[in-house]
Amino acid sequence: KQEVTQIPAALSVPEGENLVLNCSFTDSAIYNLQWFRQDPGKGLTSLLLIQSSQREQTSGRLNASLDKSSGRSTLYIAASQPGDSATYLCAVWDSGAGSYQLTFGKGTKLSVIP
Amino acid sequence: EAQVTQNPRYLITVTGKKLTVTCSQNMNHEYMSWYRQDPGLGLRQIYYSMNVEVTDKGDVPEGYKVSRKEKRNFPLILESPSPNQTSLYFCASSLSVSYLNTEAFFGQGTRLTVV
Repeated sequence: KQEVTQIPAALSVPEGENLVLNCSFTDSAIYNLQWFRQDPGKGLTSLLLIQSSQREQTSGRLNASLDKSSGRSTLYIAASQPGDSATYLCAVWDSGAGSYQLTFGKGTKLSVIP
Repeated sequence: EAQVTQNPRYLITVTGKKLTVTCSQNMNHEYMSWYRQDPGLGLRQIYYSMNVEVTDKGDVPEGYKVSRKEKRNFPLILESPSPNQTSLYFCASSLSVSYLNTEAFFGQGTRLTVV
């Protein structure tokens, strides 16, 4: 069964700093990987989708990479801002045991200090 | 606007009183699913549907029912809610499992409290 791990569980950085969030998964036979942002008590906002054939995707200050063979993805946030404070979730889409689903990590809670 | 809409957003109910949480998407997506989110446990899939009239169990289906009579709607039914079903629920949709390199879209969530 696919397992997704996100490290660190929480991160606090000063405004303006560049930072990296890590995601690892146990089964490399994934279809794609998606990064989400979740604000407290709110829904999930999709940030980036990396297809299995891709190695990275960029959107504004965000850059996500994917290394399927090693089961790893990173989300790079440049020039962090207080508005970036949220929980960031990594999820992989697979069909393990015949059940099509997104398997989520437990997230990294980011706090950007002004 | 392309979106997944859940209702209600907040619900407090009593043990044993049947309830339905609705989910609707306007993107003509074939795939829809329900997740629950609990502190320390993260997001876990309850049920999913790959198309109309096709539903399957996820990781935590006990105590829940779903139906998919129309492509756009995928309601979650709790026949006899219990306090351990108190949680934050999310509905999601994606274009198709035939095109797995597609983005998943989530609703805003339904916070359910069972007393």
